[in-house]
Amino acid sequence: GEDVEQSLFLSVREGDSSVINCTYTDSSSTYLYWYKQEPGAGLQLLTYIFSNMDMKQDQRLTVLLNKKDKHLSLRIADTQTGDSAIYFCAESFMNRDDKIIFGKGTRLHILP
Amino acid sequence: EAGVTQFPSHSVIEKGQTVTLRCDPISGHDNLYWYRRVMGKEIKFLLHFVKESKQDESGMPNNRFLAERTGGTYSTLKVQPAELEDSGVYFCASSQVGAQETQYFGPGTRLLVL
Repeated sequence: GEDVEQSLFLSVREGDSSVINCTYTDSSSTYLYWYKQEPGAGLQLLTYIFSNMDMKQDQRLTVLLNKKDKHLSLRIADTQTGDSAIYFCAESFMNRDDKIIFGKGTRLHILP
Repeated sequence: EAGVTQFPSHSVIEKGQTVTLRCDPISGHDNLYWYRRVMGKEIKFLLHFVKESKQDESGMPNNRFLAERTGGTYSTLKVQPAELEDSGVYFCASSQVGAQETQYFGPGTRLLVL
C-alpha cells in the first residue's frame, strides 16, 4: 500500500544543517516531494525529485533519494529562523491520477 | 500571476449545518484537486477534476461531501450536513495538464465544526 512516514519533530540550532528524513513503502512512485508549510500559510512546493534521480541540489537544499531503501531526505544547509515550518514528504504515481500521498509532516524548530 | 485562492480562510459552523468551500485555481490549469488534513493526520487526497469532469473521487469520505466544477474554472466543495469529524484544513491544488508533477496549493480553508 501507499504509506509515507516521517518523524514529527526536529530541533536544530540556527546555522547548523537540518536533515529531515522520510521513508515510503510503494517503490513505484514517480515523483517525490518536499512541501513546506509556514504557520498560518498554505503548502509551498519546496522541491521535488524524479524517481530515477539520486540527488537534487538547489541553493541551500539538497534532496537525496535512496530507492533501494525507499528513503528520501531533505538537507537544509545553514538553517535560518525563516526555515521554521512543517515539512511534508510526499510521493505521486504517474499512472494513478497524479494524487499526492503525504506524510504527517515534520515540524522543524530552530534553536537560537 | 495569481496563485490558487480559497475562500473562506476560516469557517466555524455547528454540527448539522452546511458549508461550501470555494477554490479558484491558477488560470489555465485544467487539473484541480481537493485534499484535507484532519487534526494530527496526514494530508489526504479527496478528488481530482480535469476541467469539469471528475477524474478520481476515490478519496471522498462519504455522500455528505459534494464537489462541483461547473464550467471547468472554480470549484466548490459542499459539506452537508457537517459532522464533528469533518473539522480540519481543506486544501485545493491545481496543475497544468502535462505537468501534473507540479501541483500548486492554495492556503487552505480551516473548518471547525462544533
